[in-house]
Amino acid sequence: EAQVTQNPRYLITVTGKKLTVTCSQNMNHEYMSWYRQDPGLGLRQIYYSMNVEVTDKGDVPEGYKVSRKEKRNFPLILESPSPNQTSLYFCASTPGLAGGFSNTGELFFGEGSRLTVL
Amino acid sequence: RKEVEQDPGPFNVPEGATVAFNCTYSNSASQSFFWYRQDCRKEPKLLMSVYSSGNEDGRFTAQLNRASQYISLLIRDSKLSDSATYLCVVNIRDTGRRALTFGSGTRLQVQP
Repeated sequence: EAQVTQNPRYLITVTGKKLTVTCSQNMNHEYMSWYRQDPGLGLRQIYYSMNVEVTDKGDVPEGYKVSRKEKRNFPLILESPSPNQTSLYFCASTPGLAGGFSNTGELFFGEGSRLTVL
Repeated sequence: RKEVEQDPGPFNVPEGATVAFNCTYSNSASQSFFWYRQDCRKEPKLLMSVYSSGNEDGRFTAQLNRASQYISLLIRDSKLSDSATYLCVVNIRDTGRRALTFGSGTRLQVQP
């Protein structure tokens, strides 16, 4: 089954304790992205990756890191989480861009990771 | 000003009603447009793309007005299962950054 898998789905942690949210897709997509969703603010892009070893900042990259060593995996790293990073996080992927999104503009999302930082 | 703005709602409508949502975008370099649907606590999913000439998919009709920089979604004969948040999404490419920009969403509640 084609899917984007995120782990963990739910996590409660404390300020300063490093954590990683994993994201894996089995559709051979080149483009992957991380979003956070907060009430009233919608989905905001954190980081994205056009392909292996190519990553770039989105709208709200502060406090986050990513890596893209393999095509299928795009982990999100919070080196020193703070309470303002409490949010719902989504990983998404889409096929190769060739200058734009795939014809349908469809992003395939993971089920989300709800993170609480105390 | 947000790049993509939507009325958050909620829109409470009875079953069978017709309901319309608008979404405005601020960047004239916006090139493609979409509506996504998001159920409570779930991931967003593509509902339909929005084409310049307008397009229809069953009970759903999407329209684009480039001059006024807004897109709309019309739902006819609302079903209980249409209850969800509808996200307006715009592909902006003038920055060289390839990303979809999401509106905050409009919540629809269809009531029996």
